[in-house]
Amino acid sequence: QVQLRESGPPLVKPSETLSLTCFVSGFSVSNSYYWAWIRQPPGKGLEWIGTIYHTGDTYYKSSLESRVTVSVDTSKNQFSLRLSSVTAADTAVYYCARGNPTSLFDYWGPGTLVTVSS
Amino acid sequence: EIVMTQSPATLSVSPRERATLSCRASQDIGINLAWYQHKPGQPPRLLIYGASSRATGIPARFSGSGSGTEFTLTINSLQSADFAVYYCQLHNNWPPGATFGPGTRVDIK
Repeated sequence: QVQLRESGPPLVKPSETLSLTCFVSGFSVSNSYYWAWIRQPPGKGLEWIGTIYHTGDTYYKSSLESRVTVSVDTSKNQFSLRLSSVTAADTAVYYCARGNPTSLFDYWGPGTLVTVSS
Repeated sequence: EIVMTQSPATLSVSPRERATLSCRASQDIGINLAWYQHKPGQPPRLLIYGASSRATGIPARFSGSGSGTEFTLTINSLQSADFAVYYCQLHNNWPPGATFGPGTRVDIK
């Protein structure tokens, strides 16, 4: 079955770059689905960060666009998130998810907590 | 930019009772509305899409309705497993992206 799993450092220093990878199994990232990053800051709601298609086409939340890069590696069946110049406001549980062209997210990773702190 | 709002922020319900959650869009979104259930320590779970279609494996006690700017998620005969936070989400927009509401927490009365 389709499974996603986030991986990356749990602690990032302010002003540095947050990097996460989502490993996908049971489904090829090259198929006709979109791959997304979504986060949830402590005590707050869900926030969509960005989405990528296997062709490399990317779509980002406008307020984060200057700091976000989402990439895909079809040979490894994974996709990644980079968020630069992080601050404490970027502390959150980060989820990767599979989305259809209408941004319905049907499979999610378990989430990984990333804390921004010195 | 379309803004999604949800009410109430918290809903206290007794087991086996009905819960009614509301979601409002700042503009007409047709039926492009999804609902997710989110429990602590777990990822969100897609419940409803297209305002009223249940996702695969979702029990019939969950139902969605509405169109335009006003939407409702109804949970009949609440079970212990249903106490969670529920988010509505605008979908079917292009380019791909997502706008979530702030959530409604359903807790035990």
